[in-house]
Amino acid sequence: SQQGEEDPQALSIQEGENATMNCSYKTSINNLQWYRQNSGRGLVHLILIRSNEREKHSGRLRVTLDTSKKSSSLLITASRAADTASYFCATVSQGAQKLVFGQGTRLTINP
Amino acid sequence: DAMVIQNPRYQVTQFGKPVTLSCSQTLNHNVMYWYQQKSSQAPKLLFHYYDKDFNNEADTPDNFQSRRPNTSFCFLDIRSPGLGDAAMYLCATSRDQVGVNQPQHFGDGTRLSIL
Repeated sequence: SQQGEEDPQALSIQEGENATMNCSYKTSINNLQWYRQNSGRGLVHLILIRSNEREKHSGRLRVTLDTSKKSSSLLITASRAADTASYFCATVSQGAQKLVFGQGTRLTINP
Repeated sequence: DAMVIQNPRYQVTQFGKPVTLSCSQTLNHNVMYWYQQKSSQAPKLLFHYYDKDFNNEADTPDNFQSRRPNTSFCFLDIRSPGLGDAAMYLCATSRDQVGVNQPQHFGDGTRLSIL
């Protein structure tokens, strides 16, 4: 069954605004990863957060992890048109050796 | 630049005609993965190789097979493609198993169409 579920499924905002995407999962995890996919392209790794970490930053990206609620969020600050893409969370369950992807959030940044 | 390369980007085949998709990597990673991604859906893992060890997902159809002749190359063979196999096929690599906190590096995929 699907491990991660993302919310919202689609998000449309104005350039310069912040975008927040949420991910919930069901089992205990080793780590949670966020990926970006531009239309017709492969996935690009953004951030990996381990189960014992609560927050990570990379440039304009901020990821939080709440293992008690089995949820994570991805915040993109000061959005740009080039951020338009689908964003996927993926989890690695404890004892597993594979990523299981959520359905993704389709983000549109309007100029 | 080190990367994951998939050829071709677009592949058209006939219903029932065998097709092979290829993936190469210059990252010298131990693990290579094949995913199937249908339109507006999440990537779904088909199988992966950890070095020469092949790991098949339980729900991967028998129609799908894979070969990894060396560290750099991995192939996806679809023996008798059906209309339901039309999808984007993504190859990915990781230095070690994802369970030890490794990210995956993806190619740009091969979009397979079935006539």
